[in-house]
Amino acid sequence: GALVYQYPRRTICKSGTSMRMECQAVGFQATSVAWYRQSPQKTFELIALSTVNSAIKYEQNFTQEKFPISHPNLSFSSMTVLNAYLEDRGLYLCGAPGEGNQAPLFGEGTRLSVL
Amino acid sequence: GDSVTQTEGLVTLTEGLPVMLNCTYQTAYSTFLFWYVQHLNEAPKLLLKSSTDNKRTEHQGFHATLHKSSSSFHLQKSSAQLSDSALYYCALASSGSWQLIFGSGTQLTVMP
Repeated sequence: GALVYQYPRRTICKSGTSMRMECQAVGFQATSVAWYRQSPQKTFELIALSTVNSAIKYEQNFTQEKFPISHPNLSFSSMTVLNAYLEDRGLYLCGAPGEGNQAPLFGEGTRLSVL
Repeated sequence: GDSVTQTEGLVTLTEGLPVMLNCTYQTAYSTFLFWYVQHLNEAPKLLLKSSTDNKRTEHQGFHATLHKSSSSFHLQKSSAQLSDSALYYCALASSGSWQLIFGSGTQLTVMP
């Protein structure tokens, strides 16, 4: 079946360093990928929507300079958190559209801790 | 723009009592509504979804009915279990876009 695989599941980085996370579509083609962040005690915020062969659309409060995203093909996307600080802690979720009327598919997330 | 409102941040009730978690939404388009459940240190999992007006949808003992007239999609269960304790998110995907807008979430705690 179709699923979204995210790697790593958990990571820790030092304040001011960068961390890259990956999202893999398995069993289907992800023409677009959405990245979300759930900060501690908060809901999920959409960071950006990435569509293959199109410009990446960032939501307000999120920028390419801080969260560069790569989406080189229909099965892979990556996002880097540059210069991470405490406010970047949280669960980062990658999602892709489900087929037909199916719900979007989400990975298990990458949990980022910043020391 | 589109939005989802969950009025209760925290709901605490005793095992065996009925559960109702509120969700209302705003959108100018036709839409899909979803309920997700997130247990501690896990990613959210899909619980229910609907796009059909006035049709009850059920899964794992929970049910919800999308009412477009009142823009609501409340989550209900007849009898709460201890294992239902979790964070519940209502979310919508409006027509033309698949990415979700999440509500603020409701923490449900079921006590023995």
